[in-house]
Formats: sequence, C-alpha cells, structure tokens
Amino acid sequence: EVQVVESGGGLVQPGRSLRLSCSASGFMFADYGLNWFRQAPGKGLEWVGYMRSKATLGTTEYAASVQGRFTISRDDSNNIAYLQMNGLKIEDTAVYFCAGKHFEVWGQGTLVTVSS
Amino acid sequence: DIVMTQSPDSLAVSLGERATINCKSSHSLLDSSNNKNFLAWYQQKPRQAPKLFFYWASTRESGVPDRFSGSGSGTDFTLTISSVQAEDVADYYCQQYFDTPYTFGRGTKLEIK
Repeated sequence: EVQVVESGGGLVQPGRSLRLSCSASGFMFADYGLNWFRQAPGKGLEWVGYMRSKATLGTTEYAASVQGRFTISRDDSNNIAYLQMNGLKIEDTAVYFCAGKHFEVWGQGTLVTVSS
Repeated sequence: DIVMTQSPDSLAVSLGERATINCKSSHSLLDSSNNKNFLAWYQQKPRQAPKLFFYWASTRESGVPDRFSGSGSGTDFTLTISSVQAEDVADYYCQQYFDTPYTFGRGTKLEIK
C-alpha cells in the first residue's frame, strides 16, 4: 500500500523544538521530492516547505513564515523524512501533513500544539 | 507570491445538481515549455487529510469519480461536479505549484441544500 505516516506531534512550549517524522512505504521514496504542509485549527491549507530528491540536488525551500526556524531532511535508506521545528511560536499550532510522490500521497497528519 | 483567489467560499447544491468552484491565480500557471498548468485540486472531508483530485489542472487522479472535472488554463480554473452526491460534501482547495511558495485558495465548503 502506498502511504506516508506522520508522527512526533504533541504539546510544546513557545520557543522550544520538536521534530516530526514522515515514514513512507509502497513507492520509491528516494525518487521524489517531499512536501510538508500544515493546517491551523479551522483554517485552510498552508505549504511549509519542500525537499527535492537527491537526484535533483536535494535542495530545500521554505515558506517565509518558517524560514530559518524549520529544516527538512530525509533518510532515503529508511524512507523517512523529517521536519525539525525550532523556535516554535503559538501560531505554528496546526496539524502537519507530509505529502510524497509529488502531492499524490498524504498522511493523516500529526497535531502540534504550541502553548505555555 | 502567487495569490490564489477561490470562489465561492461556500456552496449549497441540491443532490443531482451541478456545482462549480472557481480559482483564479495572480500569475499564469501555464508553462509554455510543456503546455501544462501547474494547478491542483484537493478534496478534504472533516477530520481527514486532503486528497488530490486533479493535477495539471485537468488530469484526474486515479479513483476520482468522473462526475468531477477540472478545466481552465493560464490564470482561470474551474472544478465542476456534474451531479452532486451526498458523499461530495467536503472542502475543496485549489493549489498552484508553478513556483514556491506553493499557495492555496481559501477553500470552498460544499454542502447539500
């Protein structure tokens, strides 16, 4: 089955860090770029960032709202991608989704709540 | 950034009737090198992840019922449901992937009248 599964969400205080994981299966994970998106409670979808496949240099791009605080990485040998979130703010509270195989495969998301 | 303007915000349609959702981008999404529009449509049901319905503006994802169609080019795009069914109740989003930051429309909530 083609799928991605996010994990690592939880409650964290402002200013702290959290690392989310995105575990993929059922497709050639290494061949594709990987996107992270988020959705604040009751709000629309927001793109967070993108990491290209290693074959296309593995470079990353980020939304301005997270640039310098969030970092995407990937471990193709284990079919996992990560979203390292530092300096978390209250406005980062959202369900975070990873999407693989371009935008075809989405996980169920993991909730990150930033609150004191 | 490319701004995606989606309308209407909400739509109430009777079962079996046609539903139309519009999406306008502030920049052309057509790549002249391959004649493709970098526009996707998603369906999102409550408490679920978004589901890709269309890419390249009009290419239907596997498993999407053929009552759904995507059309348009350049800056103007449309998602049409030819005959709305109860299971189509959801939020629908357009998204451009022509350039980063990838951006979404605000979404359209489809309800049954």
